[in-house]
Amino acid sequence: GAGVSQSPSNKVTEKGKDVELRCDPISGHTALYWYRQSLGQGLEFLIYFQGNSAPDKSGLPSDRFSAERTGGSVSTLTIQRTQQEDSAVYLCASSLRGSIGNTIYFGEGSWLTVV
Amino acid sequence: QQQVKQSPQSLIVQKGGIPIINCAYENTAFDYFPWYQQFPGKGPALLIAIRPDVSEKKEGRFTISFNKSAKQFSLHIMDSQPGDSATYFCAANSGGSNYKLTFGKGTLLTVNP
Repeated sequence: GAGVSQSPSNKVTEKGKDVELRCDPISGHTALYWYRQSLGQGLEFLIYFQGNSAPDKSGLPSDRFSAERTGGSVSTLTIQRTQQEDSAVYLCASSLRGSIGNTIYFGEGSWLTVV
Repeated sequence: QQQVKQSPQSLIVQKGGIPIINCAYENTAFDYFPWYQQFPGKGPALLIAIRPDVSEKKEGRFTISFNKSAKQFSLHIMDSQPGDSATYFCAANSGGSNYKLTFGKGTLLTVNP
């Protein structure tokens, strides 16, 4: 596709359930990012994948959060045992390279509500 | 600790006005400063970016002013239009081998007709 594609666009889940959020980056982009956007809190970095390098997981808020990127393309963000504070928009982004000057393109996000 | 401080939280101007959004940072390792524009229900989109070796960059009606010594940078929107109404985020790259952005908390801009 032309842009970063995310699914689902909206997800309502019960507290304690696991959720998976999917991201299809722009074709050919080697760098992929996950950010979380909470109301009034800006964008919070979660994880970064660059090619075959080990991912930068320094932004993951707890061990309930994990992400993988298969075949250097599609990525899945998994949240286990969801809590109400996990409610947010989860944004995926990609860039051609993981270096300065490469524009980071964002998807429209997956809106997660934990009830 | 918030590494990029953005102000104001919200801003209302009349059409044709020049809204100014300010950001400040402390980490001198930051070496790339983009601004993103976000419309409701959409992901942020890159608007304009600057490196610390220049003090100003202009693209169309959008200008970034950068003050390295003060560790501040700002976005100016000339001849603002109602279509510019959106949330604006400043950001900074923390340098190093990993290219990841630290964002400000955003400014909700409303341009009245």
